[in-house]
Amino acid sequence: GAVVSQHPSRVICKSGTSVKIECRSLDFQATTMFWYRQFPKQSLMLMATSNEGSKATYEQGVEKDKFLINHASLTLSTLTVTSAHPEDSSFYICSARVRAENTEAFFGQGTRLTVV
Amino acid sequence: RKEVEQDPGPFNVPEGATVAFNCTYSNSASQSFFWYRQDCRKEPKLLMSVYSSGNEDGRFTAQLNRASQYISLLIRDSKLSDSATYLCVVNYGQNFVFGPGTRLSVLP
Repeated sequence: GAVVSQHPSRVICKSGTSVKIECRSLDFQATTMFWYRQFPKQSLMLMATSNEGSKATYEQGVEKDKFLINHASLTLSTLTVTSAHPEDSSFYICSARVRAENTEAFFGQGTRLTVV
Repeated sequence: RKEVEQDPGPFNVPEGATVAFNCTYSNSASQSFFWYRQDCRKEPKLLMSVYSSGNEDGRFTAQLNRASQYISLLIRDSKLSDSATYLCVVNYGQNFVFGPGTRLSVLP
């Protein structure tokens, strides 16, 4: 299957700092990328849908000014957690789909963020 | 009502058992359906797509009933390595909606 690379896999940062997470589709062009958050023992919660070259669509309750998403190319989307707080500590996962609809999504390896 | 609902679990079964997971979805415009598995602290990985005619991949069988908006996954002869959380995923347009997942533990 297609490969999605997410980096970093693990990050620890101090409260108030910003963290950038990268998501790359390595062998296909992804017009749409998704960002999820998963708290322990809970399901994946969609945060936002990112389309190349346009603004991301955020889910209700997700602060767009706190979670900045950039999808500047067909192979790269970034999520920046700004002014991180301990409650932002979570597992963040991106996924990407090939151009066609009705295809499966491929996931990055996830980023475990710990804010201290 | 949640868009995608699954058996709450967890399921604890002995090796060799057959286990079935159920999933229902609320959006009748849903176009495609998948089962993913997620191991602890890992990303979800596609297990299989689900087709209207039903499909089988080794010990795994997936079925879809569009009229009832219901999806199932059957695992036969379960192995220890099948222990994971199984996620039902429903797609419409560019929306990819995950169910809450059902955790399976296969016991020796």
